[in-house]
Amino acid sequence: DAGVIQSPRHEVTEMGQEVTLRCKPISGHDYLFWYRQTMMRGLELLIYFNNNVPIDDSGMPEDRFSAKMPNASFSTLKIQPSEPRDSAVYFCASNEYGGRRQETQYFGPGTRLLVL
Amino acid sequence: GQNIDQPTEMTATEGAIVQINCTYQTSGFNGLFWYQQHAGEAPTFLSYNVLDGLEEKGRFSSFLSRSKGYSYLLLKELQMKDSASYLCAVRDRPGTDKLIFGTGTRLQVFP
Repeated sequence: DAGVIQSPRHEVTEMGQEVTLRCKPISGHDYLFWYRQTMMRGLELLIYFNNNVPIDDSGMPEDRFSAKMPNASFSTLKIQPSEPRDSAVYFCASNEYGGRRQETQYFGPGTRLLVL
Repeated sequence: GQNIDQPTEMTATEGAIVQINCTYQTSGFNGLFWYQQHAGEAPTFLSYNVLDGLEEKGRFSSFLSRSKGYSYLLLKELQMKDSASYLCAVRDRPGTDKLIFGTGTRLQVFP
């Protein structure tokens, strides 16, 4: 399996622009997670989906952030408008069983976002 | 609130043993994970504990004490490639896979 795929790997944009991050989970995984990682705050869960349905979005920082999962093999995280404080590494992760088993989450390579 | 504490940085020598501690205060507990993250890369799974005691996996072992809200990751026979960040994460309740992560411990191994 190719693992979790994310695009783009790097994104540099200017404040106020819209940013769209993309993720393809591992085939057959029912759970998809979006994280943000910064030096100050570490790895934070933004939102997660089960069977394409958002289950917990309490980590989404504000209305500028939105996430969708139109089908089992694709999800997007959108920031509009972007701000410099959004600069971070954004990871997507997936797993098959969620909290029902000890299975770990599998992380994608991340998108490194810099907002100028 | 939810809180997970780890030392920010540690250093050790090749061939030595190092113990990375993690203490947690969460509203519930349903498992603790350790992840390894090399610079510029994604976190990868190392170990999982849900019951008290030691889980051994090759050079790496992880210990849990639920009553103390404490875990440690033990790395033996350190190698240069073990230089990385080590993240402690807690699943705070069953039926969810929401993980709460610590900020990580950056380990540097010197020759």
